Amino acid sequence: RLQESGPGLVRPSETLSLTCTVSNGPISTYFWTWIRQPPGKGLEWIGHINHSGRTAYNPSLRGRLTISIDNSKNQFSLKLTSVTATDTAVYYCARVGFSYDSGSYFPQQVDSWGEGTLVTVSS
Amino acid sequence: DIQMTQSPSSLSASIGDRVTITCRASQGIGNYLAWYQQRPGKVPKLLIYAASTLQSGVPSRFSGSGSGTDFTLTISSLQPEDVATYYCQKYNSAPLIFGPGTTVDL
Repeated sequence: RLQESGPGLVRPSETLSLTCTVSNGPISTYFWTWIRQPPGKGLEWIGHINHSGRTAYNPSLRGRLTISIDNSKNQFSLKLTSVTATDTAVYYCARVGFSYDSGSYFPQQVDSWGEGTLVTVSS
Repeated sequence: DIQMTQSPSSLSASIGDRVTITCRASQGIGNYLAWYQQRPGKVPKLLIYAASTLQSGVPSRFSGSGSGTDFTLTISSLQPEDVATYYCQKYNSAPLIFGPGTTVDL
């Protein structure tokens, strides 16, 4: 089970911070991802992280985005700086399956989602 | 980066109809494609991965096919609970982008 937490309202130019708490299993396996959905629009992949801290980010957000993981707390987090109204969305945290090949892990499909949390950017 | 497109963007069908949705990648992605269903107001749900493998618990009326650049999601006999938006997602390499979605209604 995954649960997002964080402020529902963020001022323009400030930093959006969300945390996802993973229960019923260790975070030290799988990849973990953030996905967002602006009101009335489609899904946008934000980025992912694995248990060792290896990350991949959406190029459109690179430079503003940091995803981190805390294995001891079974949590991973999102920080998005310099937000504008276009960052208003439902933010989902989710679990990503993985494959293993030649000593490396590769992300696969998203197989478990949090309930999502609406973050509004407004003054 | 690879771009994902879906067609049609929306469709209307009747109960019992066969429904087909297409997803296309701008470059080959092997079979690294998943399909998700998002019912109105709900969280997305995984239907199919590896282009054609049905996720556990998903009804067998859903099927997927394709590889490379062209993929298809088929609902063999549309049911009322299938009213939803369907998204494809590639995962051969980052960024793991989603298609724009196809809305299915009755």
